[in-house]
Amino acid sequence: ETGVTQTPRHLVMGMTNKKSLKCEQHLGHNAMYWYKQSAKKPLELMFVYSLEERVENNSVPSRFSPECPNSSHLFLHLHTLQPEDSALYLCASSQDLGRVSLDTEAFFGQGTRLTVV
Amino acid sequence: KQEVTQIPAALSVPEGENLVLNCSFTDSAIYNLQWFRQDPGKGLTSLLLIQSSQREQTSGRLNASLDKSSGRSTLYIAASQPGDSATYLCAVRRYNAGNMLTFGGGTRLMVKP
Repeated sequence: ETGVTQTPRHLVMGMTNKKSLKCEQHLGHNAMYWYKQSAKKPLELMFVYSLEERVENNSVPSRFSPECPNSSHLFLHLHTLQPEDSALYLCASSQDLGRVSLDTEAFFGQGTRLTVV
Repeated sequence: KQEVTQIPAALSVPEGENLVLNCSFTDSAIYNLQWFRQDPGKGLTSLLLIQSSQREQTSGRLNASLDKSSGRSTLYIAASQPGDSATYLCAVRRYNAGNMLTFGGGTRLMVKP
């Protein structure tokens, strides 16, 4: 275990469902991220939260809605997804030291394998 | 826009071989570069982190080098073992833009016993 825990590990949902992915980090970090990994494509950054504020939304459709209630927890709320949204969703955390982040190392969770049917 | 490329996309070698995985990036203004390992269907495990001011980092049988000016990094794996079979990803951290990582497409490594 890397200190970043994601639940559930697997999720199958219909296009009309609403579900949420959860991420929890036990590393004392102040920044958390959602990445999407689709088949045969590089990991894509979706959202970044630093000090519980969203600092980047990488042109993600509104059917994905992130929430960061505190520095240890991150959620990704899903609604009316499409089959092409099926992917591995990875959460990561790091210590954001602002502009000088020389020693920042990202730690990833095990991911949630999402299938939209 | 930063682009990260990894070659080869896939590699199959017999056990015991020394091998080199390549990573190139288009924008040399990076904070650091991180190499990860990903087993099928799993998350990412950090292997090595090289700061932009460093030339290389070593951990056990792994050695990563960085040539920032030419936009290249290599991951050298000595005496490969079947347990090294996985996908290896490199990612660069943007300069002056928080801690966002840009990933390459990965190299899928198979080490045959």
